[in-house]
Amino acid sequence: DIQMTQSPSTLSASVGDRVTITCRASQSISSWLAWYQQKPGKAPKLLIYKASSLESGVPSRFSGSGSGTEFTLTISSLQPDDFATYYCQQYNSYLRTFGQGTKVEIK
Amino acid sequence: QVQLQESGPGLVKPSETLSLTCAVSGYSISSGYYWGWIRQPPGKGLEWIGSIYHSGSTYYNPSLKSRVTISVDTSKNQFSLKLSSVTAADTAVYYCARSRWGYMDVWGKGTTVTVSS
Repeated sequence: DIQMTQSPSTLSASVGDRVTITCRASQSISSWLAWYQQKPGKAPKLLIYKASSLESGVPSRFSGSGSGTEFTLTISSLQPDDFATYYCQQYNSYLRTFGQGTKVEIK
Repeated sequence: QVQLQESGPGLVKPSETLSLTCAVSGYSISSGYYWGWIRQPPGKGLEWIGSIYHSGSTYYNPSLKSRVTISVDTSKNQFSLKLSSVTAADTAVYYCARSRWGYMDVWGKGTTVTVSS
């Protein structure tokens, strides 16, 4: 199995802050990585696919980068609607695996 | 617009089989893509269960493979999940989703399944 490890697990930030979340894969996954946002009681929402491609309708303040084993999700200017939990997911392997999640909290 | 809706019992007894269906609207399953199930235990992260193509080709999470069956009914434009011999550890919110080249671009709202006697 490919293990996905996110850091930090929790992040406290203020509106307007630049936020970066890291996701590391236990082996190379090329660029086969997606990022999701999940709010309490809701289904996850796709933000980024293929490591850096922005899903249609997602604000441009979200961006993704990386390849191989290290990836980042960046929110350029945190908005009130962005307080949520973020998950990475690899699809290099038929066994899709998710990171454990990063909760972005209000500071 | 593509929409997915899960349905099925919210309460299942231990050792019995959990059965859920995902109805798809706004897109024909026969047109392509894989269709999958993901679950989330209370307060925990996401776990991929498995996926199916409209042809019936499937692949499953090895940790659940012995207990999981995913099937598709193209005539009803829906797909289903069966998980046998459930225990309390299978209590979770179960989501169905469309898998676009391996990542999930459209999700259902999720349905809570509790395993308890």
